[in-house]
Amino acid sequence: KQEVTQIPAALSVPEGENLVLNCSFTDSAIYNLQWFRQDPGKGLTSLLLIQSSQREQTSGRLNASLDKSSGRSTLYIAASQPGDSATYLCAVRPHQGAQKLVFGQGTRLTINP
Amino acid sequence: DGGITQSPKYLFRKEGQNVTLSCEQNLNHDAMYWYRQDPGQGLRLIYYSQIVNDFQKGDIAEGYSVSREKKESFPLTVTSAQKNPTAFYLCASSMVGDLNQPQHFGDGTRLSIL
Repeated sequence: KQEVTQIPAALSVPEGENLVLNCSFTDSAIYNLQWFRQDPGKGLTSLLLIQSSQREQTSGRLNASLDKSSGRSTLYIAASQPGDSATYLCAVRPHQGAQKLVFGQGTRLTINP
Repeated sequence: DGGITQSPKYLFRKEGQNVTLSCEQNLNHDAMYWYRQDPGQGLRLIYYSQIVNDFQKGDIAEGYSVSREKKESFPLTVTSAQKNPTAFYLCASSMVGDLNQPQHFGDGTRLSIL
């Protein structure tokens, strides 16, 4: 059974720092991996999706990497801003044809001005 | 603007009562999903539907029911059999066929017990 873990559960950093969020999964047979952002009391917004054949994806100040063999993904945020404060969740699609996503529990990020 | 609308934003349930959460999408997506989120936890799948008049149980379907009579709508009923319904409920939709398309989410309904 696929399990997804995100450590730490919470992270607080000063504004302007570069930071890395971690996501690990137990079964390397995945179709893709997604990173989402969730603001308090809101739904999820998709940030980046990495297909199993890809190593990384970039969008603006965000870069997500995928290492299937080690069961790890990282989300790199450059030059952090207070507006980046949110909970970040990763989710894997276990295998082709699977309609369900398996989510980690998220990392709550706070950027201090 | 295309998107997913969930209503109500807040809902209170009395003992022994069934309540229904609404989810409507205008993205022309075939697949729709219901997730439950508890504090400090990831999302868990309750039910999903890939086509009208068909749906499948997710990981935690007990105490819940759904219907899919229209492509745009996927209501979730939390029945009295669900003994711990207090949670944040999220509806999502996606295209069928291209699994590399992301799921789109509504803004959620927070359900509490009176």
